[in-house]
Amino acid sequence: SQQGEEDPQALSIQEGENATMNCSYKTSINNLQWYRQNSGRGLVHLILIRSNEREKHSGRLRVTLDTSKKSSSLLITASRAADTASYFCATDALGDTGGFKTIFGAGTRLFVKA
Amino acid sequence: EPEVTQTPSHQVTQMGQEVILRCVPISNHLYFYWYRQILGQKVEFLVSFYNNEISEKSEIFDDQFSVERPDGSNFTLKIRSTKLEDSAMYFCASSEALGWQLSNQPQHFGDGTRLSIL
Repeated sequence: SQQGEEDPQALSIQEGENATMNCSYKTSINNLQWYRQNSGRGLVHLILIRSNEREKHSGRLRVTLDTSKKSSSLLITASRAADTASYFCATDALGDTGGFKTIFGAGTRLFVKA
Repeated sequence: EPEVTQTPSHQVTQMGQEVILRCVPISNHLYFYWYRQILGQKVEFLVSFYNNEISEKSEIFDDQFSVERPDGSNFTLKIRSTKLEDSAMYFCASSEALGWQLSNQPQHFGDGTRLSIL
């Protein structure tokens, strides 16, 4: 089964507007993380929310987690052109040998127009 | 701020050849990872590494692949007998601790090596 599927796949907004991206997952999680990836660059960790948390804030970022619905959302308020990037949610799944592996979703491509 | 560095930034190799991708994780980190991202697709987990051994690997990480920490700073991914479908961005990451077992530390990524197999 797939973990961490985001929607929408792409989002285009005007600078100053809010951007909301959603993520769904299938198995139980210990935490869920959001990452950003600028074109041609590595992933940058944005925020982690634990399974016993429902909401978390970091600057202009707000993340919610609903474990009953197995979903999370990332809200970016007052967006800026510099927020243009792909955003991925990631969850940790137990691997076959007892370790864990991080599963990334397909991502949401956000474009903020100046 | 300390960062993960990867070399080379771009590697072009003939099919069938071996490649070694290099990474220098953040110095006080204990866990190391390799991921692959085929153009336009999602980031895929390959392998995690701790205490000089593989902690977990995915189905992608078959006998063609191997990882090594040859010294105290480098972490390498070797791909033997490369195939066209190995063309992708390869990302290295490191973290202070395994998230769900200890303190939920995030992973820090390098900017990747673009591997092109001809």
